[in-house]
Amino acid sequence: DIQMTQSPSTLSASVGDRVTITCRATQSVNTWLAWYQQKPGKAPNLLIYDASTLESGVPSRFSGSGSGTEFTLTISSLQPDDFATYYCQQYNSYSPLTFGGGTKVEI
Amino acid sequence: EVQLLESGGGLVQPGGSLRLSCTVSGFSFSDYAMAWVRQAPGKGLEWVPGISSNDGNTYHADSVKGRFTISRDNSKNMLYLQMNGLRAEDTAIYYCVKLRGYFYIDVWGTGTTVTVSS
Repeated sequence: DIQMTQSPSTLSASVGDRVTITCRATQSVNTWLAWYQQKPGKAPNLLIYDASTLESGVPSRFSGSGSGTEFTLTISSLQPDDFATYYCQQYNSYSPLTFGGGTKVEI
Repeated sequence: EVQLLESGGGLVQPGGSLRLSCTVSGFSFSDYAMAWVRQAPGKGLEWVPGISSNDGNTYHADSVKGRFTISRDNSKNMLYLQMNGLRAEDTAIYYCVKLRGYFYIDVWGTGTTVTVSS
């Protein structure tokens, strides 16, 4: 199985900060990587797929980059609504699809 | 509007069984692969099993192989998860999800809670 490791696990930031979350895979996943945002008590929500394609309706302050084994999610200017937990997920190998452990962005 | 609505969760004793259902609306169900993803209390996300759109191929995580079975009824727009031999570590919110592309998750249900406890 491909293991996904996110760092940091918790990130303290302020409104207006530029925030970067890293996701690393134990083997290449090409650009088959997605990012999700989850708020407490809610289901996750797709932000980015194919490593860098923004899902429709997602604010442009979110961006993704990377390929192979290292990926980043960047929030260019953190907004109050962005305090949440973020997960990466690889889909290069379908059996199984695997998620990172999550990064909680807090004040 | 695309909607996924799970049902069938609840409290069950270790070793017991449950069948989760997911009612789908708002898109052509038979055209898309589907899956179940779970989240244990305070923990991250775990893909459980997935099923292809129309050939019935299924893919189960090692943690549930031989105990959980995913299935679908395209004529009824329904997705199912039969869970047998439940363990305490299966306690989680179970989300029904729609897969897109190759495969990432573009739609999530609201989730149903499964608690395995004596």
